[in-house]
Amino acid sequence: KAGVTQTPRYLIKTRGQQVTLSCSPISGHRSVSWYQQTPGQGLQFLFEYFSETQRNKGNFPGRFSGRQFSNSRSEMNVSTLELGDSALYLCASSLQADYNEQFFGPGTRLTVL
Amino acid sequence: AQSVTQLGSHVSVSEGALVLLRCNYSSSVPPYLFWYVQYPNQGLQLLLKYTSAATLVKGINGFEAEFKKSETSFHLTKPSAHMSDAAEYFCAVSQGGFQKLVFGTGTRLLVSP
Repeated sequence: KAGVTQTPRYLIKTRGQQVTLSCSPISGHRSVSWYQQTPGQGLQFLFEYFSETQRNKGNFPGRFSGRQFSNSRSEMNVSTLELGDSALYLCASSLQADYNEQFFGPGTRLTVL
Repeated sequence: AQSVTQLGSHVSVSEGALVLLRCNYSSSVPPYLFWYVQYPNQGLQLLLKYTSAATLVKGINGFEAEFKKSETSFHLTKPSAHMSDAAEYFCAVSQGGFQKLVFGTGTRLLVSP
C-alpha cells in the first residue's frame, strides 16, 4: 500500500506570492492533518480535515487555509508569503477521526526568498 | 492545554549502550502519547503509542516506553543503540478526539562507534 504522498517536494517562492501544497493520503484514510516544522518553532499543528470538513485549526493567521476533496486528497494554501513561512510542511493521514495513529508524508520544503 | 517537554535537545551514546530519551507530559485528563522518529529529509515515523491499554508499550526497532502517571512521564528506551538509530525523536500528545498532535521540541540522538 502506497504511503502518504506530498507534492511538490521542494518549492521556492518570493515574498508576496501564494503557494498551494498537495497531499494524497493512504488509500482508505479519511482524516488529513497538516503541520509546519521550523527550526525555531518546531512542529506546529495547522489544521485537520475529515470528510471534507475542517475539524480543528491551529493558531495560524488566515493566510493559511486548506481544503479536502471527496477522494480525501487535501491541499493547503498560503497567500501573501512571508520569509517566516519558510518551513517543512508535513501532511499526515489516519484511517478515521479518533485516536488512530497518523502516518506522515515526506513533506514539502518551502523556501521563501 | 496539553503539552510535552523533552529534556535534552541532544543525547549522545556509544553503539551498544542504553538509549534513554525523556518526555514529560502535562494533561488534566488521560492523554494519548506517541513517540515519532525523523531521519534527515524525511517525514515522521511512528515508533510507538500509548492509548491506556498497557503502561509498557513496545514499538518498532527495539524501542519501548513506559507510561508513569505518578511521574507524568513517557520516556523512550532501547537496550542497545545501533548506528542506524541516529535521528531526531519527538514525543507528542493527543487529546480531545481530534487528530491534533502537540509535539515536544525534539531530541537529536547521536550514536558513536
